[in-house]
Amino acid sequence: AQLVESGGGLVQPGGSLRLSCVASGFTFSSYWMTWVRQAPGKGLEWVANIKQDGSERYYADSVKGRFTISRDNAKNSLYLQMNTLRAEDTAVYYCARDQDIVVAPTVGYDAFDIWGQGTMVTVSS
Amino acid sequence: AIQMTQSPSSLSASVGDRVTITCRASQGINNDLGWYQQKPGKAPKLLIYGTSSLQSGVPSRFSGSGSGTEFTLTISSLQPEDFATYYCLQDRIYPRTFGQGTKVEIK
Repeated sequence: AQLVESGGGLVQPGGSLRLSCVASGFTFSSYWMTWVRQAPGKGLEWVANIKQDGSERYYADSVKGRFTISRDNAKNSLYLQMNTLRAEDTAVYYCARDQDIVVAPTVGYDAFDIWGQGTMVTVSS
Repeated sequence: AIQMTQSPSSLSASVGDRVTITCRASQGINNDLGWYQQKPGKAPKLLIYGTSSLQSGVPSRFSGSGSGTEFTLTISSLQPEDFATYYCLQDRIYPRTFGQGTKVEIK
């Protein structure tokens, strides 16, 4: 099982970028998927996630209204459309598979068990 | 958003030491907490989910406990490969939030 991100690069403030994450070795359509980022020298920040069929999506407050998570199960691909980029969006962006472990009818746990290698996004003029 | 506070921010320990890292939530999160290990330049690795369930393949020297607002990650006997940064993550409500990290360094 593997995840490979792409699409990072240098972009000016206010610009846009679309990240991709291609999955292989597992049934992509069966899993929630997540984006997590890490600014240089800083800790991890959860960014967004999306349900198996795309019917539910959630975002961090810091990106809500600017970023859009989506997926194409036919292409085993996850995306993050990033608009109105700011300097503080500079980070390595990781995609991760969420096992979403269900232990009871109303009890489940996130468990990001497979991660990509990350793609660097730099927002600078 | 729920704030997750880890302590200490860093610690120095020797091989064989017992190490405990604490994570406190700003409000109750039941048992909805995971722990991740990250080494420099690498993606994070899942260690524990649901407060105390060990991810497959993770050594049994790692354990987790707690409930509500206070949680701990314990490494019973620190090994050379355990020197890394550790993060907790609450998955009780959205947005998910990580702790700021605890760096475990060699004494």
